[in-house]
Amino acid sequence: DIQMTQSPSSLSASVGDRVTITCRASQSINYYLNWYQQKPGKAPKLLIYAASSLQSGVPSSFSGSGSGTDFTLTISSLQPEDFATYYCQQTYSAPSTFGQGTNLEIK
Amino acid sequence: EVQVVESGGGLVQPGGSLRLSCAASGFTFSDHYMDWVRQAPGKGLEWVGRIKNKANSYTTEYAASVKGRFTISRDDSKNSLYLQMNSLKTEDTAVYYCARVVLCSGGRCPRPMDVWGEGTTVAVSS
Repeated sequence: DIQMTQSPSSLSASVGDRVTITCRASQSINYYLNWYQQKPGKAPKLLIYAASSLQSGVPSSFSGSGSGTDFTLTISSLQPEDFATYYCQQTYSAPSTFGQGTNLEIK
Repeated sequence: EVQVVESGGGLVQPGGSLRLSCAASGFTFSDHYMDWVRQAPGKGLEWVGRIKNKANSYTTEYAASVKGRFTISRDDSKNSLYLQMNSLKTEDTAVYYCARVVLCSGGRCPRPMDVWGEGTTVAVSS
């Protein structure tokens, strides 16, 4: 199975900050990388697919980049509603696998 | 409104069985692959499995942790997805989400999950 490793596992930041979360795959997954946001007690929400494509309705403050094994999710200017847990997911090969998550907290 | 709604969760003893259902509405269910994802208390997301559409022979795929114990099926006439869980273990305790997989029509399409239900809770305990 392909292992996905996110860093950092947790992150404290302030409103207005620019933050970057990294996801690394244990082997090349081309562009088969998606990012989700999850708030406590809620279902995950798709943010970015194919490494860099913004899902409809998601603010342009979110962006993704990368290919192969190394990927990043960037939030250009944190808003209060962005404090949540973020997961990357590879869909290059079955079984699909998620990163362990990055908990973004308010500083 | 496009939505999926899970049901069927509950408390079951180790070794027992449970069948989860997912009712879809607002979209052409039969066109889409469908996934199950779970989340143990305080833990991250774990992909459970997928069922493809009729055009892809309803092929199923599973995580190693559930293969041989869980079975995913669908009834397109009822717009419904199912997860039959047998030989349940305490480590299967989780919120189980049903999710729609994006349809691909060319271009870069890694088949993400774009519509999720609220989840149904399964607790395996004696």
